[in-house]
Amino acid sequence: EVQLVESGGGLVQPGGSLRLSCAASGITVSSNYMNWVRQAPGKGLEWVSVIYSGGTTYYADSVKGRFTISRDNSKNTLYLQMNSLRAEDTAVYFCARDLSNRGVDYWGQGTLVTVSS
Amino acid sequence: DIQMTQSPSSVSASVGDRVTITCRASQGISNWLAWYQQTPGKAPKLLIYAASSLQSGIPSRFSGSGSGTDFTLTISSLQPEDFATYFCQQTNSFPRLTFGGGTTVEIK
Repeated sequence: EVQLVESGGGLVQPGGSLRLSCAASGITVSSNYMNWVRQAPGKGLEWVSVIYSGGTTYYADSVKGRFTISRDNSKNTLYLQMNSLRAEDTAVYFCARDLSNRGVDYWGQGTLVTVSS
Repeated sequence: DIQMTQSPSSVSASVGDRVTITCRASQGISNWLAWYQQTPGKAPKLLIYAASSLQSGIPSRFSGSGSGTDFTLTISSLQPEDFATYFCQQTNSFPRLTFGGGTTVEIK
């Protein structure tokens, strides 16, 4: 059974930093395309970042230069380092396995990040 | 960037009804479209990929169609567990995923 378990969310002040983790079981993070997708309260889904199996990374324009996606192969864990956080970054952050043209098939339960003073 | 527009934003329906949701892409995306279902407090669930391919484990009352810029998701006979929000997603301009704004299926 595949499980993706996010952690690391919480309340942070504007300008602060937070690191999200996504511990995977049942799949190998380094062998897959892994995304971070976020959802602001009551809003739709917004893609944040992806890391390819080969290590290439991409970011949404809204987070480029502030967020960094990475993984630890030995821990089978995906990360999202978030710096210079803004109020508009407040959202539930999901990690998810991407099958490219076949959609995003496995999602974590999400972790809430609240940016507020 | 490719924009995805869903309609309607919400629909009221009864158990047993046929429900159709539309998704339009701002440019042609061939058949590279996926549909997801999300209930409150839960992660999205993949229903359909490549416009019309049913994801494993998804009931056959869900179906998808379309190509190019216009796509539909149809629920042939609405069940109580189908009251949820549905999102389309283009998978053409990978890796930059783009989602539609969502359609909420509510109980009439």
